[in-house]
Amino acid sequence: QVHLVQSGSELKEPGASVKISCKASGYTFTTYALTWVRQAPGHGLEWMGWINTNTEKPTYARDFTGRFVFSLDTSVSTAYLHISSLKADDSAVYYCARWYQWLFDYWGQGTLVTVSS
Amino acid sequence: QSALTQPPSASGSPGQSVTMSCTGTSSDVGSYEYVSWYQQHPGKAPKGVIYEVTKRPSGVPDRFSGSKSGNTASLTVSGLQAEDEADYFCSSYAGGPWVFGGGTKLTVL
Repeated sequence: QVHLVQSGSELKEPGASVKISCKASGYTFTTYALTWVRQAPGHGLEWMGWINTNTEKPTYARDFTGRFVFSLDTSVSTAYLHISSLKADDSAVYYCARWYQWLFDYWGQGTLVTVSS
Repeated sequence: QSALTQPPSASGSPGQSVTMSCTGTSSDVGSYEYVSWYQQHPGKAPKGVIYEVTKRPSGVPDRFSGSKSGNTASLTVSGLQAEDEADYFCSSYAGGPWVFGGGTKLTVL
């Protein structure tokens, strides 16, 4: 059974960094790409980009270049999202999701990041 | 502002059908057969209910159906049930990036 389990909520001050993990199980990790999606409070979904789990090549959406970094540790089937120089409007729930046949078919439970002084 | 336009709300009574729209452009919805729909209950992760415009993932009831005409995609939920009350987001491949709609809140009266 496929599961994506994300790390817990984070409270950070402006200017700090955060690293969110997404551990996959129930399938061969390197077979399917992973995508990251942001949902700010009361807002819709924003596609942040994706990472090829075979080549480890990340691709970032236009609004998520520079401060956002996708990475992998394939030895433990885990993807990471690192966000640096946090701002208040980075406060959101961040989801990882598996990309399969033109659908994000399995999603993590989401990680709430709150940026506040 | 979201890339795809969805009406903020829709409603219907149990047993009725409701159709939600998702309007994009010739660069996304109009160009690709890769429109998907996601259902999200409060505090939960999204769940895919339609992909490639009309296909249903395993386990999704056939009460959910999708279609597309030009730059507008639609999701129809037939035989409304209480558990269908949720937010619904559309998404389209845009030749590299994916774009989402702002979501439609479906209320079952």
